[in-house]
Amino acid sequence: AQKVTQAQTEISVVEKEDVTLDCVYETRDTTYYLFWYKQPPSGELVFLIRRNSFDEQNEISGRYSWNFQKSTSSFNFTITASQVVDSAVYFCAGSNAGNMLTFGGGTRLMVKP
Amino acid sequence: EPEVTQTPSHQVTQMGQEVILRCVPISNHLYFYWYRQILGQKVEFLVSFYNNEISEKSEIFDDQFSVERPDGSNFTLKIRSTKLEDSAMYFCASRVERGAYEQYFGPGTRLTVT
Repeated sequence: AQKVTQAQTEISVVEKEDVTLDCVYETRDTTYYLFWYKQPPSGELVFLIRRNSFDEQNEISGRYSWNFQKSTSSFNFTITASQVVDSAVYFCAGSNAGNMLTFGGGTRLMVKP
Repeated sequence: EPEVTQTPSHQVTQMGQEVILRCVPISNHLYFYWYRQILGQKVEFLVSFYNNEISEKSEIFDDQFSVERPDGSNFTLKIRSTKLEDSAMYFCASRVERGAYEQYFGPGTRLTVT
């Protein structure tokens, strides 16, 4: 069975600060897929990024960047120069066969002006 | 941009009643899913559906639940006899068959059982 751990339940920052959300994925499979989803106050789940376990290249998209380290099974998400609109719950999720997603408990990010 | 749609957005029902939650997945997607999220908790997998049959289901998806793809566009979740603990947000998701494994979620249906 897989397990996704998001140790930070809630983070509060002031606008323009950088913030990193942690995620650890535990599985016995060597091939797996990791995802980040954003859940804004309106409630929908918005796909942000997918990472394959065999690709450790970091990725940057605007103010967002992701760091995957297979040795520690961590897939961390950094928001640079945070904005109030970034306030949301962020979920990390994993999938072994590319089918069902196992979600972490989520990290609530509050960005204050 | 194509998106997953769900109806209704909010459903209130009495305990013991049957409910059907409806979803229209993205048109070229072939895998379909239902998840639920009890208020303030994490998102939990219920069932996946491919090629007109269930491919995987969780322990939550017991005999009270069923899924169906009645036509080429709709994907439904039926709860036969609702319980108070079925109150949750139910999300439908879909993904393409090969290559990309990310799932795209609908806006959810909030089910309230009284």
